[in-house]
Amino acid sequence: SAVISQKPSRDICQRGTSLTIQCQVDSQVTMMFWYRQQPGQSLTLIATANQGSEATYESGFVIDKFPISRPNLTFSTLTVSNMSPEDSSIYLCSVTKETQYFGPGTRLLVL
Amino acid sequence: RKEVEQDPGPFNVPEGATVAFNCTYSNSASQSFFWYRQDCRKEPKLLMSVYSSGNEDGRFTAQLNRASQYISLLIRDSKLSDSATYLCVVSQGGGADGLTFGKGTHLIIQP
Repeated sequence: SAVISQKPSRDICQRGTSLTIQCQVDSQVTMMFWYRQQPGQSLTLIATANQGSEATYESGFVIDKFPISRPNLTFSTLTVSNMSPEDSSIYLCSVTKETQYFGPGTRLLVL
Repeated sequence: RKEVEQDPGPFNVPEGATVAFNCTYSNSASQSFFWYRQDCRKEPKLLMSVYSSGNEDGRFTAQLNRASQYISLLIRDSKLSDSATYLCVVSQGGGADGLTFGKGTHLIIQP
């Protein structure tokens, strides 16, 4: 199994600002992903965080809006840039270790 | 057309009853199939993988019909603790690919 922590667990931000979310795993993993779960919706994959190279983004998500870092095999960050109220969501980090495990999520409210 | 479709419910079921959920997926290239469970304000957790031959885990039985692109989950002798949202999930590959989630089916077990 994998134990995943995320910081912050929640935040309230003003529009136009940026927030960086951290994801830490208790062991080295090859695959790390970032998902978004908007209110009343299911999870949507934002991007795959690749160690040593640029993240791979899904359709509808771009690097300028959601820059991602993956400096090593246990850590990744997702930044939500120039936030608007539409970015209010839960952001979840996920890793693959036999199966996919999810972090507890970061609840973001943009005013 | 949504990639993974589920009846959102809610399904209100008396304790001890049997309940079945279905889901359909549109991408015929999908290779891996799962049911995840998500409790209120928590991250999704893997309930079980779904195999073509069908598989059972205690009170839970999952079936996959590749020809119809249809997945099912059966819960027997339902418990109050089964109340949750059940997410149908598909992936195109193994652990290297992100997951595509359905919106989830809400299950409420009533005493």
